[in-house]
Parts: sequence; C-alpha cells; structure tokens
Amino acid sequence: GQSLEQPSEVTAVEGAIVQINCTYQTSGFYGLSWYQQHDGGAPTFLSYNALDGLEETGRFSSFLSRSDSYGYLLLQELQMKDSASYFCAVRGTGGFKTIFGAGTRLFVKA
Amino acid sequence: NAGVTQTPKFRVLKTGQSMTLLCAQDMNHEYMYWYRQDPGMGLRLIHYSVGEGTTAKGEVPDGYNVSRLKKQNFLLGLESAAPSQTSVYFCASSYSSSGITYEQYFGPGTRLTVT
Repeated sequence: GQSLEQPSEVTAVEGAIVQINCTYQTSGFYGLSWYQQHDGGAPTFLSYNALDGLEETGRFSSFLSRSDSYGYLLLQELQMKDSASYFCAVRGTGGFKTIFGAGTRLFVKA
Repeated sequence: NAGVTQTPKFRVLKTGQSMTLLCAQDMNHEYMYWYRQDPGMGLRLIHYSVGEGTTAKGEVPDGYNVSRLKKQNFLLGLESAAPSQTSVYFCASSYSSSGITYEQYFGPGTRLTVT
C-alpha cells in the first residue's frame, strides 16, 4: 500500500526558518508535492519534486531524496500568514492517483 | 476564469437521503478528482476521472458514485447518505501532457452534514 508520515504540528517564530518532513512508502513513485491549506480554505499547490534535490520558489523550498523515500518543505522568513496546514502528497503508480499525508499544522508566533 | 467551482457550498442531509455534488472547471483539464477531508486525516481520494466518459475508484469509493459526461463537469453522488459521510468534499482538476500529471487545482469545498 501507500502511506505518508509527517509531523502533526510545528510551531515557529515569525522571521524564523522551519522544516516540515515527510517520509513515504509507495508502490511506484512519480513525484512528491506540497500543498498549503488555510483554515476553511481549499488546498493550494506549493511545489513538486520528481527528481532528487532542492526546488526553490521564493521563500519556500522543497527537497526530495528518492533513495531515502524522504522529502521536506522549508519555509524561510516566516510570516504570520504562513500559519496553515501543509500536506505532502505522493503521485504513485499510474501517475494520476495522488495520496495525501495527514498534514502538518504550522503555528507562527509573533 | 473561475477555475474549479463546486455546488452546493453547504448541505445538511438526513440518513438515507440522496444528493449530487457538482464540480465544474473551465481550464480544459483532462483529469478530475473527488476527495473527502476529515479532521486529522488529510485528503482521501474517492473517485477520479482521466477523461470524459471515464471514471475510476480511489481509496474510499464505497457509498459514492460519479459521472463525467462532459469534460468540464464531474458529479459525485450519494445514493443513501450515512452519518459516516459527514465531511468536507473537495473537487480538483489537473492538466496532463505526455503522461505527466501536473499540480491539482482545488475547488472551495462542500461541507456536508448527515444527521
């Protein structure tokens, strides 16, 4: 089967850097994605890694190590508006079926 | 460009009632998905479609049916609602090219309560 593990909660201070880890087990692998969801809102796409290494998009970066079945999302210069839930998601065999982790709730404190 | 829209936004059903949730996208995406989200469990895939006229089961398909008669619409039906189907339902769509599926765009969600 397929499963993803990520921490349930992370707390950080405004302006700091925070890393949210994700480990996965899948049958087949086509990439690791990250989504952000604010309370009451819809998930929105942040980043996608198909190959090993770091992808940077502004204050957000995402890393993937396929050999370790591990990835992380790095948020820099944290802002209060970054308080949200972050989900890692794996695209497995077939390429169009995406499995989501349970989500990490990030609290940013002043 | 409205993106992905869902109808209705809220609904309360009694056990045994039926209803249909409508999802529409105006981005000409091939792939569409229905998820449910319950507290602490992330998003779970109910059914998905890789094109007009085709549907497939996801992780939690029991109690739901879907149809994709038009490329832009994806309908989710509950034939006999149960309290366990109380959840927030999200529809999503994605672009695909040369076998690669890109990021998913989500609708605003439908909050369904079954009493």
